[in-house]
Amino acid sequence: AQSVTQLGSHVSVSEGALVLLRCNYSSSVPPYLFWYVQYPNQGLQLLLKYTSAATLVKGINGFEAEFKKSETSFHLTKPSAHMSDAAEYFCAVSATDSWGKLQFGAGTQVVVTP
Amino acid sequence: GAVVSQHPSWVICKSGTSVKIECRSLDFQATTMFWYRQFPKQSLMLMATSNEGSKATYEQGVEKDKFLINHASLTLSTLTVTSAHPEDSSFYICSARGGQETQYFGPGTRLLVL
Repeated sequence: AQSVTQLGSHVSVSEGALVLLRCNYSSSVPPYLFWYVQYPNQGLQLLLKYTSAATLVKGINGFEAEFKKSETSFHLTKPSAHMSDAAEYFCAVSATDSWGKLQFGAGTQVVVTP
Repeated sequence: GAVVSQHPSWVICKSGTSVKIECRSLDFQATTMFWYRQFPKQSLMLMATSNEGSKATYEQGVEKDKFLINHASLTLSTLTVTSAHPEDSSFYICSARGGQETQYFGPGTRLLVL
């Protein structure tokens, strides 16, 4: 079984500041890890994914995440926040043998202030 | 990236009627499709997994007779909410997965049952 914990349901950042969204997982088998973004009244868009290759993963819109097995973490970062980054962000995990079933975290709402 | 569409994008219906939601993978063949529901300000909850040509697998607590899922082809899955009631009002999101580990999400369907 696997699960995901996102620390902080709301994060407020200033435009141009670092964005850091925390995600910790638990999994009994090697996991695949994902970050998705959701804008209001829309579906989810894949930001990036970890599938057991490079531990530092670069995604779209300047986001990146690092898989740290020792810390069971997959935190999402972006060096400089933009107003368009305001959205809901979900971390998700799937087991490599689960036919792609995703377990989502509770989500983190990001607010970007001028 | 791969494109998944949903139709309709929103629907309002009277209590007791049935509503059908379509999910299509537009540029790839989806061996597996997933249906989620999302309540306001909450995360996505997996309802069921459907594989083309076989019966859907429902998550615990999801009524299979109420939420009928058909995955008749590699590009189309449908979710029918039968005898809908106000508590079924929600945002329904599908996702599709081809041969790899990534799920691509549709834009969602907002259902309001009066």
